[in-house]
Amino acid sequence: EVQLVESGGGLVQPGGSLRLSCAASGFTVSSNYMSWVRQAPGKGLEWVSVIYSGGSTYYADSVKGRFTISRDNSKNTLYLQMNSLRAEDTAVYYCARDSFLFLGSYYMDVWGKGTTVTVSS
Amino acid sequence: SYVLTQPPSVSVAPGKTARITCGGNNIGSKSVHWYQQKPGQAPVLVIYYDSDRPSGIPERFSGSNSGNTATLTISRVEAGDEADYYCQVWDSSSDHPVVFGGGTKLTVL
Repeated sequence: EVQLVESGGGLVQPGGSLRLSCAASGFTVSSNYMSWVRQAPGKGLEWVSVIYSGGSTYYADSVKGRFTISRDNSKNTLYLQMNSLRAEDTAVYYCARDSFLFLGSYYMDVWGKGTTVTVSS
Repeated sequence: SYVLTQPPSVSVAPGKTARITCGGNNIGSKSVHWYQQKPGQAPVLVIYYDSDRPSGIPERFSGSNSGNTATLTISRVEAGDEADYYCQVWDSSSDHPVVFGGGTKLTVL
């Protein structure tokens, strides 16, 4: 079964760090584009970061320089290292697989259930 | 960066047709994907490449895209369709390739 399971969320003080994990099963993380998407309480979906199968990475302006996306091929796991956390980073964080039928446009066909990050003193 | 605009809310009576729009500059030249999100749950893909339905999505869900507007249409609306709906495009020329609309809350009266 194709599945994504996030972990690593929790309560952290402003300025602190967390590393989120996203364990995949049923497919190979390194062969796919993979994204992190977050949702602040009562708000819409916000794209955070993507890692391409070739290893290129991209970030939303709101997290660039503070968050790092990576993957461990041996563990088939995606990560999001979050540093210098702010109150506005409080959200449910989802990982998702980006799939395509035609080059140039990807859609997210597999999502995890999400992990909650709360940044507060 | 590219901007997608959705109405905050749409209301429809059961059995009627709901149309949720997603506006963007020349969006008809891009492929639009749609997600349904119910409270406390992860988003679910309901339409991809403007009008294709993943397996398991009812035929009542359809999509179109032309000019500056993409539309998600839900026919014969049921109470279980009440959810938030998000459109998304992939801007491959950008350093911010994933763009979501702000979301539309569908209320079934």
